[in-house]
Amino acid sequence: QSVLTQPPSASGTPGQRVTISCSGSSSTIGSYTVNWYQQLPGTAPKVLIYSSDQRPLGVPDRFSGSKSGNSASLAISGLQSEDEAVYYCAVWDDSLKGPAFGGGTKLTVL
Amino acid sequence: HLQLQESGPGLLKPSETLSLTCTVSGASISSTSYYWGWIRQPPGKALQWLGSIYYSGSTDYNPSLNRRVTISVDTSKNQLSLKLSSVTAADTAVYYCARRLYPDLGAPYFDHWGQGNLVTVSS
Repeated sequence: QSVLTQPPSASGTPGQRVTISCSGSSSTIGSYTVNWYQQLPGTAPKVLIYSSDQRPLGVPDRFSGSKSGNSASLAISGLQSEDEAVYYCAVWDDSLKGPAFGGGTKLTVL
Repeated sequence: HLQLQESGPGLLKPSETLSLTCTVSGASISSTSYYWGWIRQPPGKALQWLGSIYYSGSTDYNPSLNRRVTISVDTSKNQLSLKLSSVTAADTAVYYCARRLYPDLGAPYFDHWGQGNLVTVSS
């Protein structure tokens, strides 16, 4: 049972804007920044967003992150078929002394 | 160009010890800027952090693994290793090694991952 809650699935049509939520608590998201990872089918995860709203070099600006209170969101605008993947949020967990991952959200592009 | 490559047995029997090695190329594992970690993913399930290590040998482990995990680093070979004792079918997963980066602001994140090594535990 993860300390972070994500919807198991999300969907959208090409060109649409989709948001994926990640809910935590005052001791997780409320205290630390959030990272988002994208896992394409059969591949290793790749960081999309770090420090809640920062994009690493090479990540398109279609991807954006935000955090408010004990929740965070990943937004994908101009949805493309290649965005079909599982998206994970992650946050530092003091009880683990390490990162905790959300359960993942499978995004389907219809 | 940084690359991480996991290697090790793909099939274990219950009660055996899982041993994996991650070979790092394109960067020094002795860099003071990074930690290195292991993460696993059971088939069809979410990611789980197992532990992290600094080049000095300082480690942090996920307490849910009940002290079954040991991570070490060999700076002469630019490798890190994972040992997980007393495995059961629940330890069947893809095991990833990754580099953990500390940004100027905010919590650390894994910026480079290996391709993963599937380990199956079955009698």
